[in-house]
Amino acid sequence: DIQMTQSPSSLSASVGDRVTITCQASQDISNYLNWYQQKPGKAPKLLIYDASNLETGVPSRFSGSGSGTDFTFTISSLQPEDIATYYCQQYDNLPDFGPGTKVDIK
Amino acid sequence: EVQLVQSGAEVKKPGESLRISCKGSGYSFTSYWISWVRQMPGKGLEWMGRIDPSDSYTNYSPSFQGHVTISADKSISTAYLQWSSLKASDTAMYYCARHRDYGDPLGKGAFDIWGQGTMVTVSS
Repeated sequence: DIQMTQSPSSLSASVGDRVTITCQASQDISNYLNWYQQKPGKAPKLLIYDASNLETGVPSRFSGSGSGTDFTFTISSLQPEDIATYYCQQYDNLPDFGPGTKVDIK
Repeated sequence: EVQLVQSGAEVKKPGESLRISCKGSGYSFTSYWISWVRQMPGKGLEWMGRIDPSDSYTNYSPSFQGHVTISADKSISTAYLQWSSLKASDTAMYYCARHRDYGDPLGKGAFDIWGQGTMVTVSS
């Protein structure tokens, strides 16, 4: 099984701050990595697919990078509406999600 | 509009059976895999399994294999998740999600369309 870790598990940042979340896979997954946003009481929403591709309609302040085992998700300028939990998800074989990162406004 | 609409909340007793549904519309239902995802109260997302609606081929997470059954009826563009004997630990929100890649033979890729979720509560 491929294990996914995310860090940090939670963070608080100010509006306008740059926010970075990392996701690490226990083995090489190429670019088979997606990022989702989940707001409280809502279904998850796809933001980034294949490690670095922005899903249609998603604001450009969201971005992703990485390949192999190490991946990064960035919000270039945090907005109040970005308060959510963010999950990475690998799909090298059977899909699996990381544990999530909760993002709050300081 | 492309959407997945799930059946409503359920309250069941331990040992009872249950089937929840996920109806796709606005797209070719048989051209995209569907996955099911569990979210226990206050916890993260767990992938349960996926189905190719064109032929009902399924894959399951080892954590859920044997505990649930995923099926589909392509004539009515609906996927199902069912239990034969519920446990209190099955209490959770369940989401269906469409795989993003058209005609993908392997069922890989991202989940671009999600249902609204079905809350299942199992309590005596």
